[in-house]
Amino acid sequence: GQQVMQIPQYQHVQEGEDFTTYCNSSTTLSNIQWYKQRPGGHPVFLIQLVKSGEVKKQKRLTFQFGEAKKNSSLHITATQTTDVGTYFCAGGGKLIFGQGTELSVKP
Amino acid sequence: DVKVTQSSRYLVKRTGEKVFLECVQDMDHENMFWYRQDPGLGLRLIYFSYDVKMKEKGDIPEGYSVSREKKERFSLILESASTNQTSMYLCASSLGTPSYGYTFGSGTRLTVV
Repeated sequence: GQQVMQIPQYQHVQEGEDFTTYCNSSTTLSNIQWYKQRPGGHPVFLIQLVKSGEVKKQKRLTFQFGEAKKNSSLHITATQTTDVGTYFCAGGGKLIFGQGTELSVKP
Repeated sequence: DVKVTQSSRYLVKRTGEKVFLECVQDMDHENMFWYRQDPGLGLRLIYFSYDVKMKEKGDIPEGYSVSREKKERFSLILESASTNQTSMYLCASSLGTPSYGYTFGSGTRLTVV
């Protein structure tokens, strides 16, 4: 069945450093969504990408959808302690979630 | 704001018990979902529903069933709880068009002893 793999599983950064998480699917995706889950919280929807090669920005966050619509990335510029949490990608009509990347930020 | 409410935040049940997890959303969303979340495994889809009285199996439906008698309520049932069903259970809802994303409830942490 369809699988969505996400790397890395953990990332520890110093505040101010950049952070990137990558998402890869075994099949072409109709769309990709990104969610953030704060420690002790529930996933919160960030954004959806639909078009091949699409790039969207939300302040310091940049989301990309690959040309083949099989991969995606989330890049955070100059991380802050408020960015701490687990970032999930999810794709396809039935929304298959990746395993998530847990980001910790050292002040 | 859309609200998805799960009836219990924490639940402890005994092996073999029948367990009901309730989820209610207040924004007239067509779609509702049940996921379980385990460390290192992400969110795995158990069951989902696109309409009242409609249900479809997700990736890990074994040992679970669901009920959707009203549009706003989606119940997850563990027919005979087992220790490997100890997990965080998350309910979510969405509009028919996926572009608004899923809205998740706060989750129910179920422990089966």
